[in-house]
Amino acid sequence: GQNIDQPTEMTATEGAIVQINCTYQTSGFNGLFWYQQHAGEAPTFLSYNVLDGLEEKGRFSSFLSRSKGYSYLLLKELQMKDSASYLCAVRDLQAGTALIFGKGTTLSVSS
Amino acid sequence: NAGVTQTPKFRVLKTGQSMTLLCAQDMNHEYMYWYRQDPGMGLRLIHYSVGEGTTAKGEVPDGYNVSRLKKQNFLLGLESAAPSQTSVYFCASRPGRGGSDEQFFGPGTRLTVL
Repeated sequence: GQNIDQPTEMTATEGAIVQINCTYQTSGFNGLFWYQQHAGEAPTFLSYNVLDGLEEKGRFSSFLSRSKGYSYLLLKELQMKDSASYLCAVRDLQAGTALIFGKGTTLSVSS
Repeated sequence: NAGVTQTPKFRVLKTGQSMTLLCAQDMNHEYMYWYRQDPGMGLRLIHYSVGEGTTAKGEVPDGYNVSRLKKQNFLLGLESAAPSQTSVYFCASRPGRGGSDEQFFGPGTRLTVL
């Protein structure tokens, strides 16, 4: 089976850096994804890691350690518009081609 | 390109009624998925399809049926709706083998079962 854990809520202030952690246990790991979801909207793709290491994309970076079953999403220079839920998801070959999602981390950015 | 579209956007049903949710994508994607999202539960996979004419069960398939008669459409049916099926339903698609790994989501259908 699969198990994906991430914190339920986090708070931060504008301009700061925040790190959202995700740990996972899967039978057939085939990639880790981060999605952003604003309230009442659909999830939108942020990043994809399949090999160990850091992937950087503007203010957002994602890290993966397959041996530890661990990933994090790093958000720099936080803006109010970054207030959203951040969803960690894994592709597990034992579950076909679909993504299996964690419950999401709600990030609140204050001024 | 419209991307992934879902019909309807909102619906209210009475217990025992049936309905079909339609998902359409114009990106020629092979793989399509139906998820439901409930507070505190995250996105859970209901059914998925890896190509026209194929379907498979996900994590929470009970009470739902699906069909993929055309590559661009993936239908989710509720034969006899129950209050436990009150949720936000998201459809998603992705290209398939050799294509992008990104999964594209539709805008969602908000369903209430009374």
